[in-house]
Amino acid sequence: SQTIHQWPATLVQPVGSPLSLECTVEGTSNPNLYWYRQAAGRGLQLLFYSVGIGQISSEVPQNLSASRPQDRQFILSSKKLLLSDSGFYLCAWSVRDRGEQYFGPGTRLTVT
Amino acid sequence: ILNVEQSPQSLHVQEGDSTNFTCSFPSSNFYALHWYRWETAKSPEALFVMTLNGDEKKKGRISATLNTKEGYSYLYIKGSQPEDSATYLCALANYGQNFVFGPGTRLSVLP
Repeated sequence: SQTIHQWPATLVQPVGSPLSLECTVEGTSNPNLYWYRQAAGRGLQLLFYSVGIGQISSEVPQNLSASRPQDRQFILSSKKLLLSDSGFYLCAWSVRDRGEQYFGPGTRLTVT
Repeated sequence: ILNVEQSPQSLHVQEGDSTNFTCSFPSSNFYALHWYRWETAKSPEALFVMTLNGDEKKKGRISATLNTKEGYSYLYIKGSQPEDSATYLCALANYGQNFVFGPGTRLSVLP
């Protein structure tokens, strides 16, 4: 069966510090991968998605970047965090575009 | 960009009550509509996928309908239980755009 892992579960970082969140998927090959963010009081916002190694599409301009160094690994990064980067970050995968998405446990990021 | 709205924003019901909430969208130009349940401290869990106008899906006490002509989907919960307390998310899978999520409806079922 397929599983998706995210770490860390929680993170408190000062403004201006770098960020690296990791997501890995097991039990499937060539998944579509997604990064979402839920800011306080708001819905889920798609940040990045990837259909293959090295292929990243950004949905909104922001202080973040994503990379996919391996087929089942998706990394969310920032060189310098802003207060507005605080939120709950979810990684998800799907078998194909527009198919059902399966979510990881999420990372709660607080930028102080 | 497709705009997905959900109402109400939050809802409190008594255990045993039946309830429903709405997902609305301005266009029927999408591939599928998904409902997810998101419990606190857990990952969103897929409930239903619907693609055709008039689709109806049911899982236990929860059911959903889709009306693409009038631009809405309803989620119904019959005989609400405390374990139904969660945020219910609606998402549209649009052609060439991936998912667009609504803001969710937060349901609290009081014992």
